[in-house]
Amino acid sequence: GEDVEQSLFLSVREGDSSVINCTYTDSSSTYLYWYKQEPGAGLQLLTYIFSNMDMKQDQRLTVLLNKKDKHLSLRIADTQTGDSAIYFCAVLNQAGTALIFGKGTTLSVSS
Amino acid sequence: EAQVTQNPRYLITVTGKKLTVTCSQNMNHEYMSWYRQDPGLGLRQIYYSMNVEVTDKGDVPEGYKVSRKEKRNFPLILESPSPNQTSLYFCASRQGARETQYFGPGTRLLVL
Repeated sequence: GEDVEQSLFLSVREGDSSVINCTYTDSSSTYLYWYKQEPGAGLQLLTYIFSNMDMKQDQRLTVLLNKKDKHLSLRIADTQTGDSAIYFCAVLNQAGTALIFGKGTTLSVSS
Repeated sequence: EAQVTQNPRYLITVTGKKLTVTCSQNMNHEYMSWYRQDPGLGLRQIYYSMNVEVTDKGDVPEGYKVSRKEKRNFPLILESPSPNQTSLYFCASRQGARETQYFGPGTRLLVL
């Protein structure tokens, strides 16, 4: 079945850019998402991209999609301490019935 | 305000004592799902529903039941909870198969 992989940890300094990477296995995945989870909180939809796009920018967030390599990335510009959280990559399965999540990347931002 | 609500938010129970976690959405969404989140495993889908009276198993359905008698509600039932069901549970909804999914705030369950 569909599998989504992410690196588990990323540590950056405040003001730097953060890049969180994700790879997926199903080349037919059409909808890809990034969610943020702060400690003890629920899931917040950050942004999403459709498979007919290569890039999407939303303020400090830039999503890049490389369909050939089945690679998705989330870039956070000017990372702040408030960006410290777990970031989940998720793709919609082929049947459209479920989101398949990666295990999450813990982003730690130091001042 | 458009939202997905879950109750209770926190629950401690004992093995074998039946419990229900409620989920309600006010967006008239057709699709609803339950996920569980465990450390190091991410989120995995338990059950989903594409409309009233239409439910189906996700990746980890064992030990759970659901019902969809009304469009807005999708309760998760644990008939005989066991310690391996200790987890963080999320309800989610979306309008259509390809639409953005919205998550509830989560229910943290501890089964002793």
